[in-house]
Amino acid sequence: EVQLVESGGGLVQPGSPLKLSCAASGFTFSSNWLNWIRQAPGKGLEWVASINPDGSSTYYPDTVKGRFVVSKDNAKNTGYLQMNNLRSEDTAMYYCARGHHFDYWGQGVMVTVSS
Amino acid sequence: DIQMTQSPSVLSASVGDRVTLNCKASQNINKYLNWYQQKLGEAPKLLIYNTNNLQTGIPSRFSGSGSGTDFTLTISSLQPEDFATYFCFQHNSWPDTFGAGTKLELK
Repeated sequence: EVQLVESGGGLVQPGSPLKLSCAASGFTFSSNWLNWIRQAPGKGLEWVASINPDGSSTYYPDTVKGRFVVSKDNAKNTGYLQMNNLRSEDTAMYYCARGHHFDYWGQGVMVTVSS
Repeated sequence: DIQMTQSPSVLSASVGDRVTLNCKASQNINKYLNWYQQKLGEAPKLLIYNTNNLQTGIPSRFSGSGSGTDFTLTISSLQPEDFATYFCFQHNSWPDTFGAGTKLELK
């Protein structure tokens, strides 16, 4: 059974860093893209980051480029989202999702940026 | 960036109805359009990928069509479990972008 489990969320102050993890199981992690998508409370979905199967290429929208870094450790079947210089507008539920089509999603982890 | 516009933002319908949800891209995205369903408090679920490909396990009452800039998701006969929010998503070019969603509610 394919599973993705996010962790690492919480309440942080503006300007702080935070690192999210996405533990994968039930499929060949090293053969799949890994993506992060977020959803602010009561709002729509926003794509945040993608990384290709071997981790050699990463992609971001301008809203997080230069602040967020996506990575994956294929030996540990785990993906990461390092978030730096967090802003109040980064407050959201963060999901990791598999593959080009986001065919499996984790349950999400909440990140709240507030003083 | 490619803007995705969904209409209507809210759709009221009854069980058994046939409904069509629309998604318009601000430029040509070829066939690279996906549809997701999200229920309250849950993660989104992939329904359709690349315009008209039904994801494994999704009921055949869901179908997608379109090309270029105009796309539709059709539910042929609404079931109680289909009342949810639906998002379209383009992955033709970076940055990938979602539509704002259509909330399908019970009339």
